[in-house]
Amino acid sequence: NAGVTQTPKFRILKIGQSMTLQCTQDMNHNYMYWYRQDPGMGLKLIYYSVGAGITDKGEVPNGYNVSRSTTEDFPLRLELAAPSQTSVYFCASGKQGLPDTQYFGPGTRLTVL
Amino acid sequence: GQQVMQIPQYQHVQEGEDFTTYCNSSTTLSNIQWYKQRPGGHPVFLIQLVKSGEVKKQKRLTFQFGEAKKNSSLHITATQTTDVGTYFCAGPMSGAGSYQLTFGKGTKLSVIP
Repeated sequence: NAGVTQTPKFRILKIGQSMTLQCTQDMNHNYMYWYRQDPGMGLKLIYYSVGAGITDKGEVPNGYNVSRSTTEDFPLRLELAAPSQTSVYFCASGKQGLPDTQYFGPGTRLTVL
Repeated sequence: GQQVMQIPQYQHVQEGEDFTTYCNSSTTLSNIQWYKQRPGGHPVFLIQLVKSGEVKKQKRLTFQFGEAKKNSSLHITATQTTDVGTYFCAGPMSGAGSYQLTFGKGTKLSVIP
């Protein structure tokens, strides 16, 4: 199993550009998440999904959109990139049941200039 | 809103010394999870505690969940350079399923050889 994979690993955007961060998991997990991590801060939940076709906002959803058409994929869309979106983005997947482990991807480091 | 606070933010120890990080929640938690993130890496699940007063051990790591289920601690005995990284606690968001986590800002551990 590859686990959770994310592409790209690094990206530089100009203000106002758009992009999609890709996330795929091969563990057949129902739950998937997008977090952002700013320096010295914890992880902030952007969006999450409890299954294909179902998504919901997390703590910091503004400026982002998601879709979940399959169990495996959970792309994160940034529209009109802003410098405040400079961060490291982590995708995670998990299943409910003790333990409620979340498995994280390697992350995408995004810089908006 | 719900807050999960961790102290200290940074800790520098000599190799062989012990290390403890503390996690406090503003609300009672149904469970608490601990993750470790190596420098440049992604968070990796360590453990989940569910019961009031629960204590779990993983080799040199001891995890404790408070009696009131509002605080937790992670203690590392005789630190090694492989322990370097940031340790996060995370608890379920208030009113949300156990799969939605609020993360603390983490304690960054440096080990001086």
